[in-house]
Amino acid sequence: EVVVAQSPGTLSLSPGDRATLSCRASQNVGTYFSWYQHKPGQAPRLLIRDSSNRATDISPRFNGSGSGTDFSLTIDSLEPEDSAVYYCEQRNNWPHTFGQGTKLEIK
Amino acid sequence: EGQLMQSGGGLVKPGGSLRLSCAASGFTFTTYSMNWVRQVPGKRLEWVSSISASGGLIDYADSVKGRFTTSRDNAGASLYLQMDSLRLEDTAMYYCVRDKRGYDPWGQGTLVTVSS
Repeated sequence: EVVVAQSPGTLSLSPGDRATLSCRASQNVGTYFSWYQHKPGQAPRLLIRDSSNRATDISPRFNGSGSGTDFSLTIDSLEPEDSAVYYCEQRNNWPHTFGQGTKLEIK
Repeated sequence: EGQLMQSGGGLVKPGGSLRLSCAASGFTFTTYSMNWVRQVPGKRLEWVSSISASGGLIDYADSVKGRFTTSRDNAGASLYLQMDSLRLEDTAMYYCVRDKRGYDPWGQGTLVTVSS
């Protein structure tokens, strides 16, 4: 099973800042990598597929990059509504596996 | 882009059974594989099961293999998860999801609580 490690565990930033979230897979997963946003009381939402392609209706403030084992999600010009837990997922190997999440707090 | 509406779930004793349902709308259900994903409170998301578009290929996480059964009704655009021999560690929020090179969309989730 591919293990996905996310960092940092928690990120506290101010409105207008840029957030950078990272994930590392335990083996090469190519660009078969996704990012999700999960707000309390809601279902997770797909942000990025195939490492760098934004899902439908996702703001251009969200950008994904990476390949192989190292991936990142950057969120520009943070807004209070960006407060959430962000998960990454590798989908190159079965079972698809998720990182442990990064909690983003907007002060 | 489609919607998934879940039903079922609830409180069950260890060893008991539950059936989750997921009704799809707004997209051509028959062209997508579908999955179940769960989240134990405070833990990471966990893939549970996948079923191909035709229903001919089904796979399960090792943690549920032999106890859970995934099925689909393409005529009725519905997905099901039959959960038998439930354990305390199966307590989680369960989500049905479409696989479109990423899980999208997600159902609203249904809580399954296994407790004596």
